Amino acid sequence: QVQLQESGPGLVKPSQTLSLTCTVSGGSISSGNYYWSWIRQPAGKGLEWIGHIYTSGSTNYNPSLKSRVTISVDTSKNQFSLKLSSVTAADTAVYYCARLRVYSDSSGYQDWYFDLWGRGTLVTVSS
Amino acid sequence: QSALTQPASVSGSPGQSITISCTGTSSDVGSYNLVSWYQQHPGKAPKLIIYEVSKRPSGVSNRFSGSKSGNTASLTISGLQADDETDYYCCSYAGSTNMIFGGGTKLTVL
Repeated sequence: QVQLQESGPGLVKPSQTLSLTCTVSGGSISSGNYYWSWIRQPAGKGLEWIGHIYTSGSTNYNPSLKSRVTISVDTSKNQFSLKLSSVTAADTAVYYCARLRVYSDSSGYQDWYFDLWGRGTLVTVSS
Repeated sequence: QSALTQPASVSGSPGQSITISCTGTSSDVGSYNLVSWYQQHPGKAPKLIIYEVSKRPSGVSNRFSGSKSGNTASLTISGLQADDETDYYCCSYAGSTNMIFGGGTKLTVL
């Protein structure tokens, strides 16, 4: 079955750029009606949607993070990536990649939900 | 884009039912039947338990049910079990391909 796995540095210095990659295994990143997403969770706090990308390259970002976020996709490697610039301690969190099921038809039926998640990776911002 | 509002905590005894509310606005919860709920055990990734307000994925217990009225969605867990004690998050489509989560609710089984 399809699985997601985050990878990247666990420690980033303040003002630098956080970079993470999510590898999709067990299926093609280009198949199906999915947006490939990043979500984060500071310790003891709630989930925050960061943004997502479609395999066409179309992206959308959380307005609160939009100026610092870039999400890209490499279909040849079955991967998508997150870059978050100018990080501070407030960006310390567990970062999850997730698959967002998206579908709509002419009858008005729609799907928008996260049906698959990676295990998450802790990124700490500290000097 | 403010987080959806959930109670910080709810509690119930084994066998009882509890309901967790998730209040948004007319721009998200109120406009779309696209509310989903996630269960998250400590140190684990969230797990989808409800989508499109009231649908259950295959394998999710029918003790979990969802509903919506106006700008507020609700998750009801019936026949509470010890393993239900954990965190729950709501999420809604918010238009223009944006998604928004609730702040989370900690369920305690007494």
